[in-house]
Amino acid sequence: EVQLVESGGNLVQPGGSLRLSCAASGFTFSDHYMDWVRQAPGKGLEWVARSRDKPHSYSTEHAASVQGRFTISRDDSQDTLYLQMTSLETEDTAVYYCARGFCSGGTCYSGDSWGQGTLVTVSS
Amino acid sequence: IQLTQSPSSLSASVGDRVTITCRASQGIDKYLAWFQQKPGKAPKLLIYGASTLQSGVPSRFSGSGSGTEFTLTISSLQPEDFATYYCQHLKNYPLTFGGGTRVEIK
Repeated sequence: EVQLVESGGNLVQPGGSLRLSCAASGFTFSDHYMDWVRQAPGKGLEWVARSRDKPHSYSTEHAASVQGRFTISRDDSQDTLYLQMTSLETEDTAVYYCARGFCSGGTCYSGDSWGQGTLVTVSS
Repeated sequence: IQLTQSPSSLSASVGDRVTITCRASQGIDKYLAWFQQKPGKAPKLLIYGASTLQSGVPSRFSGSGSGTEFTLTISSLQPEDFATYYCQHLKNYPLTFGGGTRVEIK
């Protein structure tokens, strides 16, 4: 059974840093793209970042809203995805989900499996 | 690329046919997915490639479209279908989502 378990969410002051983790099991982690997606309270979904797989050199993409502040990374030996978040702003308050990607028909989709999410609250 | 969903919310009864539209600000071929999200839960993938049903998803869900206009149809609404639905494009980066359509009980 595919499982994704996020951790690391917490209350942090504006300007602070936090690292989120997503522990994967039940599938070959290294074969998959992985995404972070967030959802602010009462709002819609926002794609945050993507990590490609080893054949694609683990290259990454980040949303403009987090570029230069957040960094997605992965450790395939630990089957774990990370999101390092720095210079946090109140607007970053959200539930952060990790999602497994899969490739089909010329592109790679998000989210055939999702974690339960971890809450990040940025407030003074 | 911006995705505009309509309507933003709708009220429907069990057994109704429901259609949700997602319009892209520029052509995205068929690189579109649909998700269902219930309160307090993670999203669930329903359809990818605009029209391919994800494994395990009931056949009352269907998707169509290409280019800039896409639809998600629920042929006969069931009690467990009351939720919020999102489209997402995968044409290029950033991978944006539509604003969501909340399906409520009439």
